[in-house]
Order: sequence, then C-alpha cells, then structure tokens
Amino acid sequence: GAVVSQHPSRVICKSGTSVKIECRSLDFQATTMFWYRQFPKKSLMLMATSNEGSKATYEQGVEKDKFLINHASLTLSTLTVTSAHPEDSSFYICSARAAVGSYEQYFGPGTRLTVT
Amino acid sequence: DAKTTQPPSMDCAEGRAANLPCNHSTISGNEYVYWYRQIHSQGPQYIIHGLKNNETNEMASLIITEDRKSSTLILPHATLRDTAVYYCIALPSGSARQLTFGSGTQLTVLP
Repeated sequence: GAVVSQHPSRVICKSGTSVKIECRSLDFQATTMFWYRQFPKKSLMLMATSNEGSKATYEQGVEKDKFLINHASLTLSTLTVTSAHPEDSSFYICSARAAVGSYEQYFGPGTRLTVT
Repeated sequence: DAKTTQPPSMDCAEGRAANLPCNHSTISGNEYVYWYRQIHSQGPQYIIHGLKNNETNEMASLIITEDRKSSTLILPHATLRDTAVYYCIALPSGSARQLTFGSGTQLTVLP
C-alpha cells in the first residue's frame, strides 16, 4: 500500500515557541492532505484539509493562525504550531489522498508533540 | 455520512476469533462500510471495506447483513498484536470527503 511518513515522530518544545511537522507521501502524489489531532484516550479529530496549491480549510474551532498548514507540493504538507502552549500537546496525524481517480486515504505514523 | 455505533470495548482470547460488531442502521445505498484500526501511538491502518457482499482479505473478513444495517469484522485468529482500537466508518465510495472517526471499539487480546 501507499506510504505516508511524518517527521519528527516526537518533539518536545518550550511554551511560546513554534514547531513544524512534515507529512510526505512517499510513493504517490497527494492532491489532498488531512491533519488530525488526537488527545489521550480520545478519537481522531479532523483539524483541516489542504489541497495542493490552495489554502487549507479548517474545521470549526481550529485556529488557522495558530495551526499553519502549507501544501506546497503534491508530496509534502507541513503543519506549524505557532506559539505553542502546553494544551497543544497532542498526537498529530496526517493523512494523504491520492490524485483524482482514487479516494483511498492513507495515514502517517503520527507525531507526538509535548509542550513544556 | 451514516452514523455508526460500536461497543466501547471487547476482550478476546489469543488464538480465538474476534468478532467486532458495528451498527449503521441509517446507511444509504451508496455508502460503503470501512474498517480501520489504530494500534496505540500509531496512525490508523486500513483493514477492509465492503458494500453489501461479504469481503475477505489477508487481515480480516467483513460480514454485512442483508439489510445492511449492521456488520461484523472478524479477525479469525487474534494475536496480541491485534490489540487496538477498531473504527467502523460509513462513507460513499468515490467520495472526496474525509474519514470521520467515532469512538471505536478497544479490542484487547488476552494471552
């Protein structure tokens, strides 16, 4: 199956700093990528959907100025958590959907963010 | 997308079949039933999907009732590595919409 990677797998940052998470589709071109967040013992919650070359669409309650999403190429999307606070500590998971004609959604391994 | 209902947790003995139910009584004719699982601290993994016929692959079998209001995911010989949260999702095939996850079923395979 298609492979989606995320980097880093774990990151610890200090409160007030920004951290960038990369999501790459390794063997296919992804026109659409999704970012999910998961708190302990909770289900995945969709944060935003990004299409290559256009602005991301954020779910209700997700601050677009805090969670910056860039989908500059068909194989790379980045999520930047700006001015991170301890309550942003979470498991962030990206997902990628292949180009038009296939609607399968493939998930990355996730990034554990801890804000101290 | 149709709402799905799953039991919050189940236990299964190692080596036995694990049968995970899902209720989707409001499913529409063009909606497939997808199953994903998430092992702790990993991203979700696709298992299987089907429309109305029973499906089988190397991971599992999917049994969908004739009225399509419910389905059962069967792991024929559960191992400890099958311990995970299993999600049942109804979604139209060919849909450009994203997967939306409910609370799923925590399956614990016991030695």
